[in-house]
Amino acid sequence: SQQGEEDPQALSIQEGENATMNCSYKTSINNLQWYRQNSGRGLVHLILIRSNEREKHSGRLRVTLDTSKKSSSLLITASRAADTASYFCATASNYGGATNKLIFGTGTLLAVQP
Amino acid sequence: GAGVSQSPSNKVTEKGKDVELRCDPISGHTALYWYRQSLGQGLEFLIYFQGNSAPDKSGLPSDRFSAERTGGSVSTLTIQRTQQEDSAVYLCASSLAFAGSGGWVFFGPGTRLTVL
Repeated sequence: SQQGEEDPQALSIQEGENATMNCSYKTSINNLQWYRQNSGRGLVHLILIRSNEREKHSGRLRVTLDTSKKSSSLLITASRAADTASYFCATASNYGGATNKLIFGTGTLLAVQP
Repeated sequence: GAGVSQSPSNKVTEKGKDVELRCDPISGHTALYWYRQSLGQGLEFLIYFQGNSAPDKSGLPSDRFSAERTGGSVSTLTIQRTQQEDSAVYLCASSLAFAGSGGWVFFGPGTRLTVL
């Protein structure tokens, strides 16, 4: 079963604009991770934020985490056509006896128009 | 190898046949995951191996699905008596430490399974 729900399901923006994607999850977590999937199959790890962190930056990426609302957001600043991809959040949890499997959200399809 | 590898990259089979999908994780990675992704959908968790612990099989959709991990390295996902709804991309991933500790997870390119 899916842990996370992401919105929007699809997002289309112009190059240079910022893109914000949101992820909500259901259970307590150890960390939350964001991945990118280009057309094709491979997923690439982007950034990880731990449950005791509230914000993290990596290059043009900014991730926030609100554990009280069980939500996270991914902001891509100054978007480029090459950012066009599907973006997934994934949560890792060992609470309640759960193992440390990584559970993925439904994904946001981002299209950056040149 | 440099990354997670999977074979075959594509598999076309007839309904009712058995298939085996192989995953070679990154050397030294103790955690190994299998996911399934249907067209345009998110990743569905199937099974998770962590070291010598009993695997978490909670995501396997039916008893037609099974997986093994031999010697803590290579893993094989077996689907018996394939059905058309099994058609999907099967993704394998591995990490040095378990995901809850913050270990980065690396994905293979996937095996695209088509059941006719």
